Amino acid sequence: AQTVTQSQPEMSVQEAETVTLSCTYDTSESDYYLFWYKQPPSRQMILVIRQEAYKQQNATENRFSVNFQKAAKSFSLKISDSQLGDAAMYFCAYRRHNTDKLIFGTGTRLQVFP
Amino acid sequence: GAGVSQSPSNKVTEKGKDVELRCDPISGHTALYWYRQSLGQGLEFLIYFQGNSAPDKSGLPSDRFSAERTGGSVSTLTIQRTQQEDSAVYLCASSSGQGGEQFFGPGTRLTVL
Repeated sequence: AQTVTQSQPEMSVQEAETVTLSCTYDTSESDYYLFWYKQPPSRQMILVIRQEAYKQQNATENRFSVNFQKAAKSFSLKISDSQLGDAAMYFCAYRRHNTDKLIFGTGTRLQVFP
Repeated sequence: GAGVSQSPSNKVTEKGKDVELRCDPISGHTALYWYRQSLGQGLEFLIYFQGNSAPDKSGLPSDRFSAERTGGSVSTLTIQRTQQEDSAVYLCASSSGQGGEQFFGPGTRLTVL
């Protein structure tokens, strides 16, 4: 069975600084997708970034980028120039190709200090 | 509305009562998903609908849980004889089809006393 592990329950960063959130996963599949979701206090999950496993190039969305290490089964999220609005729970998620079920990690709470 | 909506936003019930949670997906989205988020945990998949049928209901924790979707739109998650361990946030998501981005609603926080 696939599993997703986020080993950092909480992280903090100063405004304008960079922070990296860790995620590892376990799968025997070769074709899959990985995601980072943000959950603010409003509870609504928002997709931050997505990575297809067959792509070697790391995904980037503005201040958000990932470090995808397929062999190591690692998928970390880097937030550059952190802003107060980045404060939220961040969840790493996995989806096997040709399925729709998302498998989530337990989340990392990110605090941003001015 | 433009997004996924869920009602009620919060629900408090007594142990043993039945509850119904509603999800209104984005118009035109054929796929609909239910997830459960217990305190301090990630989201746990419950069930997936494609149209009105549920090809994957593997995440429903017990036969007290059921869900239906009518008209390819609104879905209802029903929990019978609620237990305290059912207390959680129930999140619904929809997508335009298999493999599409899942858009989430704000969830229903269920508290079973």
